[in-house]
Amino acid sequence: SQKIEQNSEALNIQEGKTATLTCNYTNYSPAYLQWYRQDPGRGPVFLLLIRENEKEKRKERLKVTFDTTLKQSLFHITASQPADSATYLCARDSSNTGKLIFGQGTTLQVKP
Amino acid sequence: KAGVTQTPRYLIKTRGQQVTLSCSPISGHRSVSWYQQTPGQGLQFLFEYFSETQRNKGNFPGRFSGRQFSNSRSEMNVSTLELGDSALYLCASSLTRLAGGHNEQFFGPGTRLTVL
Repeated sequence: SQKIEQNSEALNIQEGKTATLTCNYTNYSPAYLQWYRQDPGRGPVFLLLIRENEKEKRKERLKVTFDTTLKQSLFHITASQPADSATYLCARDSSNTGKLIFGQGTTLQVKP
Repeated sequence: KAGVTQTPRYLIKTRGQQVTLSCSPISGHRSVSWYQQTPGQGLQFLFEYFSETQRNKGNFPGRFSGRQFSNSRSEMNVSTLELGDSALYLCASSLTRLAGGHNEQFFGPGTRLTVL
């Protein structure tokens, strides 16, 4: 089956370091991947979208890469801050409509 | 611009009852999607509506249904509630057009449903 997988273990890093989160997909080749941030008790917030023909996308301290050979997307937060602590979700479009298939999410904890 | 709103924010029901949740999308957004979020299963797609038509449906039983009105507001209904229906129900709207497209989704705060 088509799967999108994220490391379910929490990621703990020190403030100022770069956080790297992984999203792997199997048995298909998504044309697009989206990344969202979710804080406890709130809905996800869109961060970045990357297309398969884009190797890399940046937005302020955020960077996303898309490696179709490895079937993997990496999400980086540089100069991380405690306020970056949240759960980060990757998602793929399963069709050309408003249907997203989400990974389980990775919880990031940035310690001061 | 006002964001996506969902009502009610919290709901407690007992098994066998039914519930209706409401979602008002961002003005101008015609696509509304619904998701169920639980600790064990994560975020799972329920269905998506565009211009009052259901375009996509997830793998949920027929007890889960929805509709969209002409003003793009949407409701979802769950009948014969089960304990396992306890979850955060999220609504999201997007600018996805009739021809489709890969647009970001804007999520509401969710409705926390507890089934006792």
